Amino acid sequence: QVQLVESGGGVVQPGRSLRLSCAASGFSFSSYGMHWVRQAPGKGLEWVAVIWYDGGNKYYADSVKGRFTISRDNSKNTLYLQMSSLRAEDTAVYYCAREGLALDYWGQGNLVTVSS
Amino acid sequence: EIVLTQSPGTLSLSPGERATLSCRASQSVRSTNYLAWYQQKPGQAPRLLIYGASSRATGIPDRFSGSGSGTDFTLTISRLEPEDFAVYYCQQYGTSPKTFGQGTKVEIK
Repeated sequence: QVQLVESGGGVVQPGRSLRLSCAASGFSFSSYGMHWVRQAPGKGLEWVAVIWYDGGNKYYADSVKGRFTISRDNSKNTLYLQMSSLRAEDTAVYYCAREGLALDYWGQGNLVTVSS
Repeated sequence: EIVLTQSPGTLSLSPGERATLSCRASQSVRSTNYLAWYQQKPGQAPRLLIYGASSRATGIPDRFSGSGSGTDFTLTISRLEPEDFAVYYCQQYGTSPKTFGQGTKVEIK
């Protein structure tokens, strides 16, 4: 069965960096585009970034452009989100999701808290 | 950027009633209607309900239906079951940034 498991979250100070990982299993990872979506506490969903199946194209929300980098290692079936220059407003649960028929499978989410 | 506006913000209904949720786009969603609907319950990840504006995802009951094209889309729940009370989001996934609406909460009246 399809599984997506995020890791790497936690508490980080403003201005610092953090890398999230999303380990995929149960499907051919290298055949699918992958997304990061976040949700601030008590708020709605915010799309963050997408990477094509082969890593050839990447797109970002304006709110994270220039600070976050999405990448993938198809040999390890793993998606990454490198976050730098973190701000308090980046505090959220971060989900990875597969793009099959829309975003058809989601991880359980990983909380990132940006606080001094 | 395509802005999606959902209405109403909150829908107060009783089990067995019909729910109609709206999602309006600021510009036409890419051809083949790359518009999806998700359900989210507290403490859970979102779950895909509808893709391509009107196709039900695997395992989704037929009381959920989607319709619309261009800039106006609708999610209908024909008869609300207790487990359907949740927050619903629309998303356009045809054009980056792949934006979400702000959500509609369906609550028990």
